[in-house]
Amino acid sequence: GQNIDQPTEMTATEGAIVQINCTYQTSGFNGLFWYQQHAGEAPTFLSYNVLDGLEEKGRFSSFLSRSKGYSYLLLKELQMKDSASYLCAVRVLSGGYNKLIFGAGTRLAVHP
Amino acid sequence: DVKVTQSSRYLVKRTGEKVFLECVQDMDHENMFWYRQDPGLGLRLIYFSYDVKMKEKGDIPEGYSVSREKKERFSLILESASTNQTSMYLCASSSGTGLTEAFFGQGTRLTVV
Repeated sequence: GQNIDQPTEMTATEGAIVQINCTYQTSGFNGLFWYQQHAGEAPTFLSYNVLDGLEEKGRFSSFLSRSKGYSYLLLKELQMKDSASYLCAVRVLSGGYNKLIFGAGTRLAVHP
Repeated sequence: DVKVTQSSRYLVKRTGEKVFLECVQDMDHENMFWYRQDPGLGLRLIYFSYDVKMKEKGDIPEGYSVSREKKERFSLILESASTNQTSMYLCASSSGTGLTEAFFGQGTRLTVV
């Protein structure tokens, strides 16, 4: 079956760095996405990895190791507005179609 | 600005009612998806569509059906609403190449009483 694991909750301090891990066991892997979701709002796209390595985008970076089935999202210089849920999603090719499968999400609380 | 619009933010329906959730996108995307989101379970795929009049079952299609008569519109239908279908429903769309991210609507919080 398809399985994606990420921690349920994390806390961090404003200005610090936090790393949110995601491990997956899927067949037909075709890319990994990270989304941010504030309470009561729609998920919004943060990053995309399809090859091994680090993708950097401002304060956010995402890393992928396909051989280990592992990704992480790194948030630097944390701000209060970064308090949100972070969703790891794997795109799989199944039956000729691409599907996005989501983990349960990691709720991040940033404290002053 | 790209837009995925869901017809209602909040809905309250009675058990046994037929419920329609509408989603419209203005990006000319081929792919459209319906998810439900429940605490601790994340987003689970109900149905998706890769073309007009085409539909595929996701991971939890039981109790739901869909309709895609026009490219921009994807409807989710609860044939006979039940209390275990109380949830947040999210619609998403993406381009046909599959190489870009999905864009989400604001969600519809459905309560079945």
